[in-house]
Amino acid sequence: DGGITQSPKYLFRKEGQNVTLSCEQNLNHDAMYWYRQDPGQGLRLIYYSQIVNDFQKGDIAEGYSVSREKKESFPLTVTSAQKNPTAFYLCASTHKGATDYGYTFGSGTRLTVV
Amino acid sequence: GQSLEQPSEVTAVEGAIVQMNCTYQTSGFYGLSWYQQHDGGAPTFLSYNALDGLEETGRFSSFLSRSDSYGYLLLQELQMKDSASYFCAVRGGSGTYKYIFGTGTRLKVLA
Repeated sequence: DGGITQSPKYLFRKEGQNVTLSCEQNLNHDAMYWYRQDPGQGLRLIYYSQIVNDFQKGDIAEGYSVSREKKESFPLTVTSAQKNPTAFYLCASTHKGATDYGYTFGSGTRLTVV
Repeated sequence: GQSLEQPSEVTAVEGAIVQMNCTYQTSGFYGLSWYQQHDGGAPTFLSYNALDGLEETGRFSSFLSRSDSYGYLLLQELQMKDSASYFCAVRGGSGTYKYIFGTGTRLKVLA
């Protein structure tokens, strides 16, 4: 079945450490996104990519980095420069076209700083 | 800039009808979407409105008025499983497939 796989489901980061969250999709979607969700809050856009080897900053890109070397993959690195990284991270993808079918989301990664 | 406003919480009883509103400000507008998210889960896509009017999908209906920058999600015959957070999202900008989300309305369905 097609879908988006995020791993790991839970991740613990020590102070000053970089961590990478994985996001893989087999939906043949062109565009991929990373959102951050804090408790009781909406989703805030970190980075997005509409084509391989190209990506744009969202509203809260500071302290994060991404790459898009393959259509299927869009990993997110949370660097030590991100001072408050504890949150629920959601990866999403969509097909670019005239009809909007919305995002398909992965099941998320819950990151905690210890 | 872009922003969306939603009431933070709505409570209704099983079997009732509930309406959740969304007002938005955006530079450029391509459509308004609605997502459902249960606690601890990922959002799931419910509906999309690009044009004014009502779209119906089973118990769910979504309405858009572009002149008022306003939309709502209507849920009929409420069930306990409908207890969740509901987010509106606007696709704006020029040529981008990028959505900005509201802060969500938490729906509590009482027996």
